[in-house]
Parts: sequence; C-alpha cells; structure tokens
Amino acid sequence: NAGVTQTPKFQVLKTGQSMTLQCAQDMNHEYMSWYRQDPGMGLRLIHYSVGAGITDQGEVPNGYNVSRSTTEDFPLRLLSAAPSQTSVYFCASSHRGQEPGNTIYFGEGSWLTVV
Amino acid sequence: AQSVTQLDSQVPVFEEAPVELRCNYSSSVSVYLFWYVQYPNQGLQLLLKYLSGSTLVKGINGFEAEFNKSQTSFHLRKPSVHISDTAEYFCAVTNDRGSTLGRLYFGRGTQLTVWP
Repeated sequence: NAGVTQTPKFQVLKTGQSMTLQCAQDMNHEYMSWYRQDPGMGLRLIHYSVGAGITDQGEVPNGYNVSRSTTEDFPLRLLSAAPSQTSVYFCASSHRGQEPGNTIYFGEGSWLTVV
Repeated sequence: AQSVTQLDSQVPVFEEAPVELRCNYSSSVSVYLFWYVQYPNQGLQLLLKYLSGSTLVKGINGFEAEFNKSQTSFHLRKPSVHISDTAEYFCAVTNDRGSTLGRLYFGRGTQLTVWP
C-alpha cells in the first residue's frame, strides 16, 4: 500500500525551465492538493482538486498549473521556474466520506531548487 | 477566510518537562482542527484532530489538545517530553465539511527542541 507517492524527491532547475512534479495515490481518494513549505511560512495551498476533471486555486497559485485527468494522479506543472519557487512541495489526498475519521494523507515531499 | 496563528516560533524545553504549543485560529464558521508533526527532512504526520464531540482530543506519542471555541484556541500539550519529540509542529484548520477535508490552512509552525 503505497499511499501518496511524489516524484522526484529532489530537483534542481535553472530559471525559466519547466518541469512537472508528479503525485499519485492508490487509495481512490477524491480530494488531492498541492502545498508548498517555506521556512517560517508553514504550508500554503497551491491548487486542489475535488475529483477528476475538477481543480481550483488555493492561496498561492501563481506560476503553477494543475490538471486531474484521473482519480489517481495530480501533477503540478511549473511552466517557467523562478527562484521564488524554490521550496519543498507536498502532495496530499483525502477521501470523501462520513465524518469523523477522515484524514489527509501527505506525500514525503519534493525538494525543488531553482537557480 | 480562515487563518491560524502559532504564537511561538521556537519552544526549547528540557527532557521530562511539560510543554504547551499554542495555536489560535480565526474563522467565522465551524472549524475542524489538526496538529501535524514534521521530523527533519520528512513529511507530515498527523498527531491528532478535532472534528466534533469532546473538546479534549488525545493523539499519538502522548500528545493531547483542547479545543476552546470561546477563545478560538487549540493548544497542544504533553506532560513529559522526550528528546525524540524534537521536531516542528504545525497547527492547521479547515472549515470544509468533515466529509471533504480537502483544504487545510496551516500556521507557520513551532520548532520544539528538547534538551537533555
């Protein structure tokens, strides 16, 4: 049972390059989201999805694109990387069900450096 | 809009001492509250959560938290800490329905350092 899997774990990009952070979950969760973590800032929501084909913006969406073509996958795209996007990125998923008991599951993080 | 304030960015304590990590939230509607722990270079692990019912919530590793609606607080406590509790702790809130829990708003974190 893999849970939430993020790849790559580490990545160095040059300014202006594009890349995609992959996120996959095997729990058939409807809800998936992306957060970024910066020192002293906690985690901030970038984008989220409530189901296949449905996405919406979070607190800090600028510079990022997402899509949700399947329930399992929720990739995060950086179209033109900037040094301000140097951060640790976390993907999360959760199940739409009866409360209480729902839990948000986090991936192990992707460390991205933009130089 | 929701926001979370963790009042202390760093909390140093000695081993076996009690600790309280403070969290206040602002929201105009009912909320659900969480505490997560992050060990160095690792992901987030859920410590405990408040969805409804008893305001005193017990979590893993001997931690507990009390939901206080009148003071809009959700402070985390442990009566006796261990060196292994050294980590960063995040308070989080959502006012999504409990059945969704898709979006969390996090505080900036509190670094707990336990000294021998």
